[in-house]
Amino acid sequence: EAGVAQSPRYKIIEKRQSVAFWCNPISGHATLYWYQQILGQGPKLLIQFQNNGVVDDSQLPKDRFSAERLKGVDSTLKIQPAKLEDSAVYLCASSLDRANTGELFFGEGSRLTVL
Amino acid sequence: QQQVKQSPQSLIVQKGGISIINCAYENTAFDYFPWYQQFPGKGPALLIAIRPDVSEKKEGRFTISFNKSAKQFSLHIMDSQPGDSATYFCAAERETSGSRLTFGEGTQLTVNP
Repeated sequence: EAGVAQSPRYKIIEKRQSVAFWCNPISGHATLYWYQQILGQGPKLLIQFQNNGVVDDSQLPKDRFSAERLKGVDSTLKIQPAKLEDSAVYLCASSLDRANTGELFFGEGSRLTVL
Repeated sequence: QQQVKQSPQSLIVQKGGISIINCAYENTAFDYFPWYQQFPGKGPALLIAIRPDVSEKKEGRFTISFNKSAKQFSLHIMDSQPGDSATYFCAAERETSGSRLTFGEGTQLTVNP
């Protein structure tokens, strides 16, 4: 079974530029998450989708971050404009259904460096 | 508000030794406590998890001890191996409400051969 796919793996941009990350969850997984992992810290949830609806985006900096999950499958996370403090690894995760299992399956992440 | 505090930040043990990582939580509504293991360049992967109806769970060399009254839980790795060298994250959530998983800051474990 294929895991969570993310791209690009690495991205370097200048501050104030924009960037987009893509995630393809495990087939059949209804719930999708985007986490931000700053170096030396634990992952922090940015947004949680259940199918194509947003469940929790309370920690998403909505003035610069946006995310969508069209058709309840793939998802994109966009940052515009980027700031230096956005340098981090952006992890996508999926799970079958939050009500049925606690296990999250993570992708390898997209490492963003903002110069 | 940091809801899950993890210690130590880093840990070095010898091969065959016992690695112990501790976590403390604040929210008494949490009802699911997983540990995730992360290797460099990879995403975290579930290692073992416990729910508060039991005080201990063992899977192979990995054991979670849970103390509900103290709001603490810990990961014990018996007979630690160099291949266990990774970053370990404790986490907690209120699973029944589908709330988000809150991670600790992580412990970088190094097992020397």
